[in-house]
Amino acid sequence: SQQGEEDPQALSIQEGENATMNCSYKTSINNLQWYRQNSGRGLVHLILIRSNEREKHSGRLRVTLDTSKKSSSLLITASRAADTASYFCAPGNTGGFKTIFGAGTRLFVKA
Amino acid sequence: DTGVSQDPRHKITKRGQNVTFRCDPISEHNRLYWYRQTLGQGPEFLTYFQNEAQLEKSRLLSDRFSAERPKGSFSTLEIQRTEQGDSAMYLCASSLEGVAGELFFGEGSRLTVL
Repeated sequence: SQQGEEDPQALSIQEGENATMNCSYKTSINNLQWYRQNSGRGLVHLILIRSNEREKHSGRLRVTLDTSKKSSSLLITASRAADTASYFCAPGNTGGFKTIFGAGTRLFVKA
Repeated sequence: DTGVSQDPRHKITKRGQNVTFRCDPISEHNRLYWYRQTLGQGPEFLTYFQNEAQLEKSRLLSDRFSAERPKGSFSTLEIQRTEQGDSAMYLCASSLEGVAGELFFGEGSRLTVL
């Protein structure tokens, strides 16, 4: 398994704005997952996108995957104060039983 | 609630003491993972089990750390002779073999070594 690198490290926006976070990785993948972590809590799985998918939606979340650029983005639309959290991407490939996390993007949504 | 549970949630100990954390995974999950997380960082992989077999252990992990999953159900993580640098959140996660990678995390056990 490999580690994804999230960008930016930190993001501060107003409630109602959209938030975009990016993830880059180095080698080919079968899927890529995004997780959210509220302060002092465990991680929560948000969405998984497979390597043959280019875009996936879940509620206010939109994930894109560009395997040619080895990158993914997570868009949160109409953000809320409750979206304040750290967000991590996790690239996955066959045989990679362990999931490795980068430092994440810390999102702060101001009410 | 049938999620992943961890105990204790908080532990304060003095340097040199031993501590043990317990994780109860989701009952049908045969894979169990331990991670360590310090402030501002992502979770760092420590070790994982498939059923009762410990299949991988991080090379960065000191030999003061040991994990077990004796009957393929709950797991324990023991830290011997704790050091201040061991202060962190210890996260447990479980998953189902054959399902594409989704991990279910517990709320973590926060360790403070004085």
